[in-house]
Amino acid sequence: GAVVSQHPSWVICKSGTSVKIECRSLDFQATTMFWYRQFPKQSLMLMATSNEGSKATYEQGVEKDKFLINHASLTLSTLTVTSAHPEDSSFYICSARVGTGLGSEQYFGPGTRLTVT
Amino acid sequence: DAKTTQPTSMDCAEGRAANLPCNHSTISGNEYVYWYRQIHSQGPQYIIHGLKNNETNEMASLIITEDRKSSTLILPHATLRDTAVYYCIVTPNFGNEKLTFGTGTRLTIIP
Repeated sequence: GAVVSQHPSWVICKSGTSVKIECRSLDFQATTMFWYRQFPKQSLMLMATSNEGSKATYEQGVEKDKFLINHASLTLSTLTVTSAHPEDSSFYICSARVGTGLGSEQYFGPGTRLTVT
Repeated sequence: DAKTTQPTSMDCAEGRAANLPCNHSTISGNEYVYWYRQIHSQGPQYIIHGLKNNETNEMASLIITEDRKSSTLILPHATLRDTAVYYCIVTPNFGNEKLTFGTGTRLTIIP
């Protein structure tokens, strides 16, 4: 099946610093990738949709200047959390879509646990 | 996207079939039913999806009622590794549609 990787798997950073998370589709090309956030004991919440070569589309309430998304190639999307604060501590998960037509599937990465101290 | 309703939690004995229901009474004609599961502290795992016909793969079977207002995910022989939160999602599938996750069903497999 399609494999999506994320790096790093966990990261601890100090308040005010920036953190970059990478999402890669290992054995397929993904024109569209998605970024989700999950707080403890809650469900996944979509943050943004990332399309290769164009600007990301952010969900309502997600600050685009704080969560910078770059989708520079068909296999790599990055999420940068700028000026991180403790409330940004969360589990960040990316996904990539296989195919673009009817019945296409979306595969998820293993997630990145961010802790801001 | 149509809203889905799932039981909050379920238990199933190891080796038995686990049947997870999902109601999606407002589903529209172009919306697919997707099932994902999330094991603790991992990314969601795709299980299966369908439009109106029943579907089966190596992981599970998906039974969709004729009126498409509900569906059941069946894990034929549950193992302890099937303990997870299972999400039923309905969404149109024309290319870049996003998945909206609800609260899901927490399935616990009992030894």
